Amino acid sequence: ETGVTQTPRHLVMGMTNKKSLKCEQHLGHNAMYWYKQSAKKPLELMFVYNFKEQTENNSVPSRFSPECPNSSHLFLHLHTLQPEDSALYLCASSQETGQGIYEQYFGPGTRLTVT
Amino acid sequence: AQSVAQPEDQVNVAEGNPLTVKCTYSVSGNPYLFWYVQYPNRGLQFLLKYITGDNLVKGSYGFEAEFNKSQTSFHLKKPSALVSDSALYFCAVRDGGATNKLIFGTGTLLAVQP
Repeated sequence: ETGVTQTPRHLVMGMTNKKSLKCEQHLGHNAMYWYKQSAKKPLELMFVYNFKEQTENNSVPSRFSPECPNSSHLFLHLHTLQPEDSALYLCASSQETGQGIYEQYFGPGTRLTVT
Repeated sequence: AQSVAQPEDQVNVAEGNPLTVKCTYSVSGNPYLFWYVQYPNRGLQFLLKYITGDNLVKGSYGFEAEFNKSQTSFHLKKPSALVSDSALYFCAVRDGGATNKLIFGTGTLLAVQP
């Protein structure tokens, strides 16, 4: 799991707070992803970045705001969240070359609780 | 639209016995299929993938998966289960679009009893 790191590992925030999740990949990949994992539901893809450009926004509410300053770092800025946003947020990365199909590598996740 | 189904929420198996975790898929084009494992309080770890070629794919930790095009299935197997294999297993299919978008199943909890 040292390939993709996420901080913090646990976060408790009130509905009026603003916080950020950080993801860093040490694999030299050029694509990064945010997923939401809730109990009893499939992993939900939230955002995709290819070469620092956002290429996918899976109808995510505007209270979630991603930022990708370079190909190694990905942030998820949170504000005015709802209790139903409590979940495990996973970051992943992969190498997209246009040739071949490559797997995604996941970080350990941030367990978010909204009170 | 692409989709993945894992029909079993939980699979129980005795240590030393063979295990199978089921997955079926639906895609419009060629399927690119993956298996991941998630241990408690950890992220997902890649086990194996099928892109093309041999229908039997070998992966990490002694796991393998069999691609069956006629049954649209990609079941995960291991000849002899270990207690340490107990975890949550996810099947995923890649969306054939321009992005590397993975569609995940709901997961199957594998419990291996000693």
